[in-house]
Amino acid sequence: GAGVSQSPRYKVAKRGQDVALRCDPISGHVSLFWYQQALGQGPEFLTYFQNEAQLDKSGLPSDRFFAERPEGSVSTLKIQRTQQEDSAVYLCASSSWTSGSYEQYFGPGTRLTVT
Amino acid sequence: ELKVEQNPLFLSMQEGKNYTIYCNYSTTSDRLYWYRQDPGKSLESLFVLLSNGAVKQEGRLMASLDTKARLSTLHITAAVHDLSATYFCAVDQFYFGTGTSLTVIP
Repeated sequence: GAGVSQSPRYKVAKRGQDVALRCDPISGHVSLFWYQQALGQGPEFLTYFQNEAQLDKSGLPSDRFFAERPEGSVSTLKIQRTQQEDSAVYLCASSSWTSGSYEQYFGPGTRLTVT
Repeated sequence: ELKVEQNPLFLSMQEGKNYTIYCNYSTTSDRLYWYRQDPGKSLESLFVLLSNGAVKQEGRLMASLDTKARLSTLHITAAVHDLSATYFCAVDQFYFGTGTSLTVIP
């Protein structure tokens, strides 16, 4: 289909609320990445999946962050008990081996504001 | 701790001029990526460099990789206004640089 989609595009949460951010990767893409991008900063790696396997979650900032990709396609990033420092844009990207390289395709991002 | 440093952080250049953005990283890796981000937008993949000495070109942009020096460059030739954006390099698709905000002035 089209590109990587993310929903919601904007989310306002009160401190302490739980949120769930969804990523629909390009069909057939094996790899899926989550990043956090604060205003004026570069993306910070959060976690990486290959199919349904979460191969690296070293970037998750705390145990309040949890990601899953149960069927190897759609992924959800969940943040429990949101804090103000969680306010950022959350980017999802998918990639697959094509023409000799792994080119990533990014979704539009979800802008999370914690008040 | 792996560091990916870009310089300059901010670059203002006139149309028609040439310039180079540098990306230094602190780990051994032969996979380096360049991205473009327009204000308020997501990232767009520009180049994938997978080996020492790799060079890729697209339009007015050319990227190269020297894994021994742990250095990648993004060279801009005869800049045009449409190239105004923030450019990021990343190692292994995991570790992003600080970004270079480029403004091309008519």
